[in-house]
Parts: sequence; structure tokens; C-alpha cells
Amino acid sequence: QKEVEQDPGPLSVPEGAIVSLNCTYSNSAFQYFMWYRQYSRKGPELLMYTYSSGNKEDGRFTAQVDKSSKYISLFIRDSQPSDSATYLCAMSARPGANNLFFGTGTRLTVIP
Amino acid sequence: GAGVSQTPSNKVTEKGKYVELRCDPISGHTALYWYRQSLGQGPEFLIYFQGTGAADDSGLPNDRFFAVRPEGSVSTLKIQRTERGDSAVYLCASSLWAGADTGELFFGEGSRLTVL
Repeated sequence: QKEVEQDPGPLSVPEGAIVSLNCTYSNSAFQYFMWYRQYSRKGPELLMYTYSSGNKEDGRFTAQVDKSSKYISLFIRDSQPSDSATYLCAMSARPGANNLFFGTGTRLTVIP
Repeated sequence: GAGVSQTPSNKVTEKGKYVELRCDPISGHTALYWYRQSLGQGPEFLIYFQGTGAADDSGLPNDRFFAVRPEGSVSTLKIQRTERGDSAVYLCASSLWAGADTGELFFGEGSRLTVL
């Protein structure tokens, strides 16, 4: 079993829809959780970072962590065509960025 | 440059050949990472440097893979006797320092390696 599981999609939604992306994990040592966005043929870029259970909001994006269920989510409100990308969850047992464990990524397309 | 720069962007080689991939991190970033991303997968950790030394090389798949960062800036990932299974995008990333609170890695666009 992989340490981080993520549905690869693809996921297609109409513009303006609410998008929900999810990851589950098995390693209870993971304490730090991130969401990265990766456009085609580009490197991933950090969207959200959190280390506590609960919600964290940044504009149209909300990251949710439930450590008891080992489940994290990213919600995108009022989705835009420019949100079309692959979304990768990532996590680590220590603060900082060494040796992140990534999910496989979910490919999202927002249709105008 | 402003971001992480990787060269070459694409490399096609034959099985058994030697390959070098170069990474130029963001100026001032002391931590540098190599990840490998196979098709349809997330990035997998290979190695990270804090300064000139490899602080964690636990992700290198075998002894055909080696990386250096002699002056604490540019890094080279070296792959000997390439195999078809080495085909992937090799991503380099840097951060201010490995313990930075935000956990933000700044990735380059990657070097796409194809082994025929």
C-alpha cells in the first residue's frame, strides 16, 4: 500500500463549480500537509500548507485536514478555466520540505 | 535567474549510456532537492542537499544514481548505465533551508529523460 493515496481522475467540471480533491494516508507520523498545483510540462508550485487539523482558507481555496481519519481535502470555489491543472497532495513527518511524500495527483479540467 | 533552472529540458539517450542533469537553484537557497516523476505519478524523493553535503540520499534507487553539489549552489544528478526504467521527468527544487516552516519547495520545470 502506498503511503499517500490520491484518485488520479481525470475530473472535469463546468466553470463556477465547487471542486473537491482528496487524499488519504496511512502513516500517522505525517503532521505537515501541502497541496501543490502542476501545470502541464511545468514543475509543481505550492498552493496551501497546513500542519493542524481543521480548515485553512486562502481566497478561493480551502485546505481541510482530518488527522483522526488520515484524510485531507482541497476545495476550490468558483472554479476557473485557469485552475485546470494537476493537483498533488504532499505530506511529511517533519517541518520543512525534506523528503515529501506526494500523491499521484488529480488532473482537473474546468470547462468554460 | 529568478527561478530554478534545469538543463537539459529534454534528453534522449540509449540504454547503457551515462547522463548528467544539471540544476541551478534560486540564489540564496541553501537546500536543494532532486525528485523523479514518472508518467502519471507524483514526484518521488531522491536526494537532498543542505549546502554542499548530501543530507539525505535515501531515495536514490541504486548505486547507478549519484548527485553532487560541490560549491553549495549548482547540482548535477548523474546516472550511469541508464536503463529504460529510468525514463522520467527529473525535478529539481530548492528552498531557503530544509527546516523552513512553510515547507515550500520551488521546483524547476524538470529534465525529461527518455532511455531508448
